Amino acid sequence: AQSVSQHNHHVILSEAASLELGCNYSYGGTVNLFWYVQYPGQHLQLLLKYFSGDPLVKGIKGFEAEFIKSKFSFNLRKPSVQWSDTAEYFCAVTYNTNAGKSTFGDGTTLTVKP
Amino acid sequence: DTGVSQDPRHKITKRGQNVTFRCDPISEHNRLYWYRQTLGQGPEFLTYFQNEAQLEKSRLLSDRFSAERPKGSFSTLEIQRTEQGDSAMYLCASGRDRGHEKLFFGSGTQLSVL
Repeated sequence: AQSVSQHNHHVILSEAASLELGCNYSYGGTVNLFWYVQYPGQHLQLLLKYFSGDPLVKGIKGFEAEFIKSKFSFNLRKPSVQWSDTAEYFCAVTYNTNAGKSTFGDGTTLTVKP
Repeated sequence: DTGVSQDPRHKITKRGQNVTFRCDPISEHNRLYWYRQTLGQGPEFLTYFQNEAQLEKSRLLSDRFSAERPKGSFSTLEIQRTEQGDSAMYLCASGRDRGHEKLFFGSGTQLSVL
């Protein structure tokens, strides 16, 4: 079955620390990859996406992610986190055979201490 | 772009009752998705529509669940004979019919079955 694994359930960092959240997906052919973020009290929104080209993609608010095909990974990074980055982060994969349906990981809760 | 709206935001019902949720997608989006999310989990795919056609249903969607999108615009999700295990956040999302397109999520309907 197609699946997405996020390695960290809860990450706690101090402001200015660097962030890396892991995401691995199961093989299923050509993939499109997404990171969504859910700030407290808000709905899910897109942070960044990859579908082709440069495997290093940049998103909003200084986030970036790198697609490593050989490792089936799409890790999210940010060099210096801020208190406002406190949120839940979801990795999602769309397999081209599934016509747009996205499979989500279980999320990582990030808490940034001021 | 007024966003995806869902109604109601919260629903409390007794076991055995029927409930219906509504989703209004972004008007120019031809795809509409229903997901279910429980605490500590990522969104789980339930079903999706392209225009008025329901193209895929998850195994999670028992025969007590039915979804419609009669005119290719808004959609309803009905749960008959609710069970306590149906308690969850029901999320609606819309998008365009390309695999790399992002999803726009609504704020969800939180269902509590007593």
